[in-house]
Amino acid sequence: SYVLTQPPSVSVAPGQTARITCGGNNIGSKSVHWYQQKPGQAPVLVVYDDSDRPSGIPERFSGSNSGNTATLTISRVEAGDEADYYCQVWDSSSDHPDVFGTGTKVTVL
Amino acid sequence: QVQLQESGPGLVKPSETLSLTCAVSGYSISSGYYWGWIRQPPGKGLEWIGSIYHSGSTYYNPSLKSRVTISVDTSKNQFSLKLSSVTAADTAVYYCARRYPLHWFDPWGQGTLVTVSS
Repeated sequence: SYVLTQPPSVSVAPGQTARITCGGNNIGSKSVHWYQQKPGQAPVLVVYDDSDRPSGIPERFSGSNSGNTATLTISRVEAGDEADYYCQVWDSSSDHPDVFGTGTKVTVL
Repeated sequence: QVQLQESGPGLVKPSETLSLTCAVSGYSISSGYYWGWIRQPPGKGLEWIGSIYHSGSTYYNPSLKSRVTISVDTSKNQFSLKLSSVTAADTAVYYCARRYPLHWFDPWGQGTLVTVSS
């Protein structure tokens, strides 16, 4: 099945930019979706279809996808952005089509 | 506004069957979309279990396929998960979610913790 690899952790100071990567074989040919999960809460969709934002998600959250890496970028990081972030794709060629990444813990210093 | 709510026993004995229901409000399941189940063991990442279309067609995670059944009840506007022959490894928070045609999940239910223990 398709594998999505994320760094276990990313640390960033308030006001700076956090970049969370999601690696997969030719992931640039797929649509990537990103979720934010705060402790004790359900995941929330923050970016879909590589770079679109659902209603209510700040413009500080943006996404890109090319080659073997997709990236979620959080600009002007705030303390409230501290959470786990997961990428997800649908792999049409797989018998395990819905795949989540391993997750990244973002810590705001 | 679409809302999903999981319900079911919080404790299941080993070798028994885990049964959960996801009640959907604010949208009629029979109108479309896929609906999915995802789980998260304590302290670990998300694992997709399976999804069902409003018509009843399903697809499952191959690693769980032999033990999983997902069904839909459009009259009650809910869908259900059954996982048989559970072990401690099936202890997790179980989430239900709506799955868009272009494959993302939104929104999610609040999740329900199921512990497998005698």
